[in-house]
Amino acid sequence: AQSVSQHNHHVILSEAASLELGCNYSYGGTVNLFWYVQYPGQHLQLLLKYFSGDPLVKGIKGFEAEFIKSKFSFNLRKPSVQWSDTAEYFCAVIFSGGGADGLTFGKGTHLIIQP
Amino acid sequence: DTEVTQTPKHLVMGMTNKKSLKCEQHMGHRAMYWYKQKAKKPPELMFVYSYEKLSINESVPSRFSPECPNSSLLNLHLHALQPEDSALYLCASSQISGGGNQPQHFGDGTRLSIL
Repeated sequence: AQSVSQHNHHVILSEAASLELGCNYSYGGTVNLFWYVQYPGQHLQLLLKYFSGDPLVKGIKGFEAEFIKSKFSFNLRKPSVQWSDTAEYFCAVIFSGGGADGLTFGKGTHLIIQP
Repeated sequence: DTEVTQTPKHLVMGMTNKKSLKCEQHMGHRAMYWYKQKAKKPPELMFVYSYEKLSINESVPSRFSPECPNSSLLNLHLHALQPEDSALYLCASSQISGGGNQPQHFGDGTRLSIL
């Protein structure tokens, strides 16, 4: 079955530390990959997306992600985190090649940045 | 602020009540979605509407009845819900493309409590 795995469910970092959140999916066909962030009390916001082209994609707020097809991975990175990055981070995948389809989310990573 | 508006923000209802959740977007998106999010869990897809037609129903119980009156509106009619249906209900919308790669824009959600 198609699934999305996030390896770290809770991450605690200090400000200015580097961040990498892992995401893997299980599907050999066409995928569209996303990272969403959910700040406390706010709606889900798109951080970045990948569907083709350069496997290193840059998003908002200094985040980037790298698609490695051979590893079925789409890890999220940020070189230096800030206290305001405290939030829930979801990796999400559309397992199809076209049309409108729902997102399959990973279980999420709760990130806490300590000042 | 999100461009997808959901009302009400909070709803408390008894198991015998009938109520409706509403979602509206004016971005010209032709795909609209309902997701259910339990506490500390990722969103789970319920329904997808594509060009105002129901295209995906993820085996949702019939006590949830979606409706898409026009391209800007999406409703979720609720009847005879169970306590386990208490959750945050999220609406999302997106453009439709052949590549299926359009990001979904989420509303703030309706927090539903079933007494």
